[in-house]
Amino acid sequence: EDQVTQSPEALRLQEGESSSLNCSYTVSGLRGLFWYRQDPGKGPEFLFTLYSAGEEKEKERLKATLTKKESFLHITAPKPEDSATYLCAGFSGGYNKLIFGAGTRLAVHP
Amino acid sequence: NAGVTQTPKFQVLKTGQSMTLQCAQDMNHNSMYWYRQDPGMGLRLIYYSASEGTTDKGEVPNGYNVSRLNKREFSLRLESAAPSQTSVYFCASSAVVNTEAFFGQGTRLTVV
Repeated sequence: EDQVTQSPEALRLQEGESSSLNCSYTVSGLRGLFWYRQDPGKGPEFLFTLYSAGEEKEKERLKATLTKKESFLHITAPKPEDSATYLCAGFSGGYNKLIFGAGTRLAVHP
Repeated sequence: NAGVTQTPKFQVLKTGQSMTLQCAQDMNHNSMYWYRQDPGMGLRLIYYSASEGTTDKGEVPNGYNVSRLNKREFSLRLESAAPSQTSVYFCASSAVVNTEAFFGQGTRLTVV
C-alpha cells in the first residue's frame, strides 16, 4: 500500500536552532513530492515540488531535498513565525491523487 | 485575488440532514479537489475533477457526491450526514492534475 510517513509528529525548537523534518514514502512509481505549510485554522500553503532524487529547492530559511526513499525539509535558524504544521505529499503517475502524510507540528520558541 | 473560496466556514448538522459545500476558484485552473482532514491523519481525497465536465472518486468517496458546475465551481454534497463525516473539508485547485495546488480556508463540519 502506498504510504507517506512524516517524522517527528511534533518538534519544538528554540529560535535559531536548525533542524530537519523527514518525509518517507512508499509510493510506487513516485512522480513527484510536494511540501506544504499549514497554519492553524487555514488551508495548506504550497512550498515546494520535487521531481527527482537529488533535487533541492530553497525558500528563505527552508530547503527541501529528495532521495529515492525520503524527503527532508531543512529549517535553518528558524524564527517563531516558522511555527506551523508541515505536510508532505507524494503522487504516482499511476493514479490522479496525492497521498498526504499526517504532518509535523513545528513550534519555534523565542 | 481571492484564490479558492469555500462556503460556509462552519456548519453543524444533525444526523440525516443534507448540505452542499460550495467552492469557487478564480485562477482559471482546470483541476479541482475535495479533501477531508481529520486529527492525526493526512488529508484524504474525496473526489476530484481533472477538468470541466469530469469527476472521479478519490480515496474516501462514500457518502458524498460532487458536481463540477463550470470551470470555476466544484461543489460537495452530503446527502445524509453521519457523525463519521465530522471533519474539516478543504477544496483545492491546480492548473492541471498533480501540480501545485491552492487550497481554500476550509469548512469545519460537525455532525451531531
